[in-house]
Amino acid sequence: DAKTTQPNSMESNEEEPVHLPCNHSTISGTDYIHWYRQLPSQGPEYVIHGLTSNVNNRMASLAIAEDRKSSTLILHRATLRDAAVYYCILRTNNAGNMLTFGGGTRLMVKP
Amino acid sequence: DGGITQSPKYLFRKEGQNVTLSCEQNLNHDAMYWYRQDPGQGLRLIYYSQIVNDFQKGDIAEGYSVSREKKESFPLTVTSAQKNPTAFYLCASSINGRADTQYFGPGTRLTVL
Repeated sequence: DAKTTQPNSMESNEEEPVHLPCNHSTISGTDYIHWYRQLPSQGPEYVIHGLTSNVNNRMASLAIAEDRKSSTLILHRATLRDAAVYYCILRTNNAGNMLTFGGGTRLMVKP
Repeated sequence: DGGITQSPKYLFRKEGQNVTLSCEQNLNHDAMYWYRQDPGQGLRLIYYSQIVNDFQKGDIAEGYSVSREKKESFPLTVTSAQKNPTAFYLCASSINGRADTQYFGPGTRLTVL
């Protein structure tokens, strides 16, 4: 399976934008890029996903590099409730919806 | 409200005992999954089921068993054969095995004494 690399932790100030990077240099043409986040002592929740084009939803934006070897999750205005571990995951579009979670990035938001 | 529930939130068992963790969903999803999470680590897939009466082993199935007799229920049994059962267990579901999004329950923290 294609792997992802993320920084272990990042810090942000409240109400400022946050850019969470993810490297996936061995991504294949059929791999989708998914982002989930996990708040302390809770199950992960879906944030966003994309294939080639940049994506926006009410939670975040996903910027995908032209060569697809990296992507960036963008939180436009961080709040204290955004403090969580953010996972960047590659999922192959075949039978069996497997999500392989790496270590993720722990985002800390300072008031 | 529609969702996925796990009970109990905290569970304590003595070493050598089997224990069954509950997972129920009322989202009418076909696919369900069990993951294990150790402190500071990501999630690892234990078992998954794409349809009733069918399930497949994930990456770390040894020492665990599951059943899928009903669409809404996917219980996980942690057997005495599991060497290090203390962990945070997460259940998830998706519309089907090819769906983009998995929905997770709140998790059960199992401690084996």
